[in-house]
Amino acid sequence: DADVTQTPRNRITKTGKRIMLECSQTKGHDRMYWYRQDPGLGLRLIYYSFDVKDINKGEISDGYSVSRQAQAKFSLSLESAIPNQTALYFCATSDPRTGKFNEQFFGPGTRLTVL
Amino acid sequence: DAKTTQPPSMDCAEGRAANLPCNHSTISGNEYVYWYRQIHSQGPQYIIHGLKNNETNEMASLIITEDRKSSTLILPHATLRDTAVYYCIVSNPSGNMLTFGGGTRLMVKP
Repeated sequence: DADVTQTPRNRITKTGKRIMLECSQTKGHDRMYWYRQDPGLGLRLIYYSFDVKDINKGEISDGYSVSRQAQAKFSLSLESAIPNQTALYFCATSDPRTGKFNEQFFGPGTRLTVL
Repeated sequence: DAKTTQPPSMDCAEGRAANLPCNHSTISGNEYVYWYRQIHSQGPQYIIHGLKNNETNEMASLIITEDRKSSTLILPHATLRDTAVYYCIVSNPSGNMLTFGGGTRLMVKP
C-alpha cells in the first residue's frame, strides 16, 4: 500500500549540491524516522521525530538535517552532498498506541547517487 | 539494546519450513525480540515480535527459548516470495530506534 510515500524515488546529483528527500504518510502516526542503507548492510538511523515539535539525532546524523513540517511530513536534507552519502534512504512511521511499540512502516525508499 | 547474531545466509526448499535462528544472549528482561524482512531493496516489513512467550500470526511463528537467549523465526511453508533478508532485532519499550544488523539472507529454492 502507499501509506508511506517518498519522493523522489531516484536521484543523481553532484558533490556539493543541496538535496531534499521528502516523506509523506497517511497513517496518522506521530512518530517518523529516516534511515540509510548501504549495499549489503542493515539500515542505520539518521534522525527521528516523535511529534511535530520533537526532533532527535540518530546513529549517523552528521551531514544531514531534517524538518517536520506537519504530522504527515518529514523531510531529510543533505546540505552539501558528498559521494559517501550515496545510499538507499528509507522513511518509516510508527504508532506506539497500537501496543507494538516498534512496529515501523517503511516507505519504498529513495536511491540517491552523489557523483 | 542487546546485540543479535544471525547466520549470514540460509537456503530452504519451496514448501518446506524455514527456521531462522537468532542469538541474543545479552537480552534484558524488558527487551522484546522483533523480526523484520526486506525483500530485494524494498522497505523492511514487520513480521512478528515477542517477549517470552511463543507467538504466531498469519506470516510466521516465533519461538523464544526459556532463558530468552535465542529465538527462531519459523515460516511454515516457504514460498519463492519469502526470499529476502530477515532481521532479528532486540528492542526495549523505551527504545527509540530499531538497530538493524546484517540479517540472514534466506533463499527459497524450487
